[in-house]
Amino acid sequence: AQKVTQAQTEISVVEKEDVTLDCVYETRDTTYYLFWYKQPPSGELVFLIRRNSFDEQNEISGRYSWNFQKSTSSFNFTITASQVVDSAVYFCALSEVGNAGNMLTFGGGTRLMVKP
Amino acid sequence: KAGVTQTPRYLIKTRGQQVTLSCSPISGHRSVSWYQQTPGQGLQFLFEYFSETQRNKGNFPGRFSGRQFSNSRSEMNVSTLELGDSALYLCASSLAGRSSYNEQFFGPGTRLTVL
Repeated sequence: AQKVTQAQTEISVVEKEDVTLDCVYETRDTTYYLFWYKQPPSGELVFLIRRNSFDEQNEISGRYSWNFQKSTSSFNFTITASQVVDSAVYFCALSEVGNAGNMLTFGGGTRLMVKP
Repeated sequence: KAGVTQTPRYLIKTRGQQVTLSCSPISGHRSVSWYQQTPGQGLQFLFEYFSETQRNKGNFPGRFSGRQFSNSRSEMNVSTLELGDSALYLCASSLAGRSSYNEQFFGPGTRLTVL
């Protein structure tokens, strides 16, 4: 069965520090998708990125970057020069193509607190 | 384009009652999924509906049910409420198709409190 583990339950940094959120996943499928979502205090999950299992290229979007390594089953997320507005809970999620439809398996989430 | 809307936003019920939550997907989206979020269990998949048919189901008891209407709006129902059903219920919509790579857009959630 699929599983996503986010070992860091809570991280606290000072503004402008870089921070990496870890995500490790388990799946028996060879084709799958990985996601990161942000959940601000308002509660709504905001999509950040999707990566498929055949694309191990790292991705950068502004201050955000993602490092996908199939060899270690990890999909880590780095925020460079963190800002107070980055404070939120971040979720890593997995979707297996073998499932008939849309079904996300989420990690437990990492609460990021960025202090001014 | 309007986002996913969920009603009501907050709900207080007592044990044994039943509750119905509603979700209106983004226009053009035919898939609607429901998730339960609790401090103890985290985010868990409940079920997914596509073209009025349940396409996927998570590991929840039969007290949790749902349906989808022809306009893609969806409702979920919880009967015989238990204290442990207190949670944030999130609805997500995505484009049509079997694909698991469609981005899911989430609504703001319904906060259910069971007393």
